[in-house]
Amino acid sequence: QKEVEQDPGPLSVPEGAIVSLNCTYSNSAFQYFMWYRQYSRKGPELLMYTYSSGNKEDGRFTAQVDKSSKYISLFIRDSQPSDSATYLCAMSASGGGNKLTFGTGTQLKVEL
Amino acid sequence: GAVVSQHPSWVICKSGTSVKIECRSLDFQATTMFWYRQFPKQSLMLMATSNEGSKATYEQGVEKDKFLINHASLTLSTLTVTSAHPEDSSFYICSAKSGRSSYNEQFFGPGTRLTVL
Repeated sequence: QKEVEQDPGPLSVPEGAIVSLNCTYSNSAFQYFMWYRQYSRKGPELLMYTYSSGNKEDGRFTAQVDKSSKYISLFIRDSQPSDSATYLCAMSASGGGNKLTFGTGTQLKVEL
Repeated sequence: GAVVSQHPSWVICKSGTSVKIECRSLDFQATTMFWYRQFPKQSLMLMATSNEGSKATYEQGVEKDKFLINHASLTLSTLTVTSAHPEDSSFYICSAKSGRSSYNEQFFGPGTRLTVL
């Protein structure tokens, strides 16, 4: 069993839709949870960072962490074609600057 | 700010040759750099952690004699794939840890696609 599970998609939605992306994990030591966006042939770019459980909002993006269920989510409101990318969840037991364990990534396509 | 570059972006080599990939932090000093490998439709897998001036720490299952890492300065780390074989073909991504962020964010380079014929 992988430490982090993420549905690879692809996920296709119409422009303006609300997108929900999710990851589950098995390692209870994870305390730091991140969402990265990766465009084709590019390196990942940090979108959201959350410590422990709770919600965090930044513009159109909302990250949720439920440590009791070992489940994290990223919501994208009013999705745009420019949001089309692969979204990777990542987790760490000791901070975002240390060893990260990534999910496989979910490929998202927002269509006009 | 916090830009990380990699060179080359794409390399093709013959089986048995060695390939060096450079990772540079352009506008900040990075005491720690990380090297990841990403196969198609798979997650980024950490290969090793590179600290300036000391030996790299390799993840379990990664051959340190095959993947040589040098972190000679606060802005440069190199990964050398020695005696490359087709199974080493992958997307190699480095990241650099900046102390400027409140949560010690890693900044990722654009990646290097290695194809071994």
